[in-house]
Amino acid sequence: QVQLQESGPGLVKPSETLSLTCRVSGDSISSGHYWAWIRQPPGKGLEWIGHIYPGGSTYHNPSLESRVSISVESSKKQFSLKLASVAAADTAVYYCASIGQLELNIDYWGQGALVTVSS
Amino acid sequence: DIQMTQSPSSLSASIGDRVTITCRASQSISSFLNWYQQKPGKAPKLLIYAASTLQSGVPSRFSGSESGTDFTLTISSLQPEDYAIYYCQQGYRTPLTFGGGTKVEIK
Repeated sequence: QVQLQESGPGLVKPSETLSLTCRVSGDSISSGHYWAWIRQPPGKGLEWIGHIYPGGSTYHNPSLESRVSISVESSKKQFSLKLASVAAADTAVYYCASIGQLELNIDYWGQGALVTVSS
Repeated sequence: DIQMTQSPSSLSASIGDRVTITCRASQSISSFLNWYQQKPGKAPKLLIYAASTLQSGVPSRFSGSESGTDFTLTISSLQPEDYAIYYCQQGYRTPLTFGGGTKVEIK
């Protein structure tokens, strides 16, 4: 059973960089899953940000691509999200998650971290 | 991007009712369609993947089906714990995209 836990600042100033880390437990980070970030603005739907395969490819949402960076540190069993030049519209609950390689189904989710962009 | 259109956006139903939620893809996605349940303040939970395969531990009253680019989530007999928002998601191509959600409320 994979367990995921997000950590990072809950408040970020406009134009700065949002940084979040997800700790993976219960499974190897090189187990064959993709590791993903998904966000949900308050009261709204879900938006896929991107995902990474350890030692391999990274995929980003084109709507965010120039601002997004996803990386993995296998030795620490964690992966990270950086979103640059944030604005109020980036205020959301950010989830880290695992994605199955075959069906691209999101099978495990973290509990979510609310990040507010405000001065 | 592949657009996923869910309907209805909300519905009211009573305990024991049969509930059907539909998701339409803007192009062919084969069977790469997944369904999630989200309760207030919680992360979504995977219910069904590959259009009709029940995730381990999910009650058998949930089922999924497909017809071309139309996909359906059915709850055969609604239970109190099923009141939630349901989302579909296509896994055919990046960017992965979600439907807008269907809120199932108590009648």
